[in-house]
Amino acid sequence: SQTIHQWPATLVQPVGSPLSLECTVEGTSNPNLYWYRQAAGRGLQLLFYSVGIGQISSEVPQNLSASRPQDRQFILSSKKLLLSDSGFYLCAWRNGGRGGYTFGSGTRLTVV
Amino acid sequence: SQQGEEDPQALSIQEGENATMNCSYKTSINNLQWYRQNSGRGLVHLILIRSNEREKHSGRLRVTLDTSKKSSSLLITASRAADTASYFCATEYLNAGGTSYGKLTFGQGTILTVHP
Repeated sequence: SQTIHQWPATLVQPVGSPLSLECTVEGTSNPNLYWYRQAAGRGLQLLFYSVGIGQISSEVPQNLSASRPQDRQFILSSKKLLLSDSGFYLCAWRNGGRGGYTFGSGTRLTVV
Repeated sequence: SQQGEEDPQALSIQEGENATMNCSYKTSINNLQWYRQNSGRGLVHLILIRSNEREKHSGRLRVTLDTSKKSSSLLITASRAADTASYFCATEYLNAGGTSYGKLTFGQGTILTVHP
C-alpha cells in the first residue's frame, strides 16, 4: 500500500536559522509531489510541485526552496527562516496526476 | 486569484441533522475535490467529481457540481459527532494550454461542529 511520511511533526526554529523538511512516499513510483503551507485557520497555499526527479516548479516567490533528489523524496528548505515562514507545512502526492491527493501528517513550524 | 470560496465559514448542528457546505470557484476546472481535516492533522481526500459529472455519492456524502454557476455543494447526511472537522473544496484548474499538473487550489474551508 502507498504511504507518505513527513517529519518532524513539530519544529521551533529561531529567525535566521536554516530549515529542512523531508517527505518520502512508499509504494508508488514517479508520483507527482507537492508542498503546501497552511496559515492558522486558512486554506492551503501551494508552494512547490514536482513531476519528476530534479524537476521543481515554484508557485510563489518566497524564502523557501524545494528539491527532489530521489523519485520518492521531496525536501523543503530555507537558508534563513523569517517569522513569516511560520505555519503548517503539508506534503502530498498524487499518482500520475489523477485522483485525489494523499497528504502527510504535516509539520507545524514556529519561527521565533 | 483562482482560489475558491466556501460558505458558511462555520456550521454548528446537532447529531442526526444534515450538513451542507458550498463552494464557488472562478475558472474552468478539470475536477473538484472535497477534503476533510481534523484539527492539527493532514487532509483526507473525501470525494472527487469531474467537470462532466453533476452528482456523486460516497456513503453519507453527496456532492453536486454546477459548472454553469461554477459552484459545488457537499452534503453530509445523518451527521455524527465524529464528523466534526474542517472541510475544504479544491479545484484542479486548467491553464491556457489545457494542462494542470495536478495542482489544486483550495478554498478557505468550512468548520463543521456536530454536537452529540
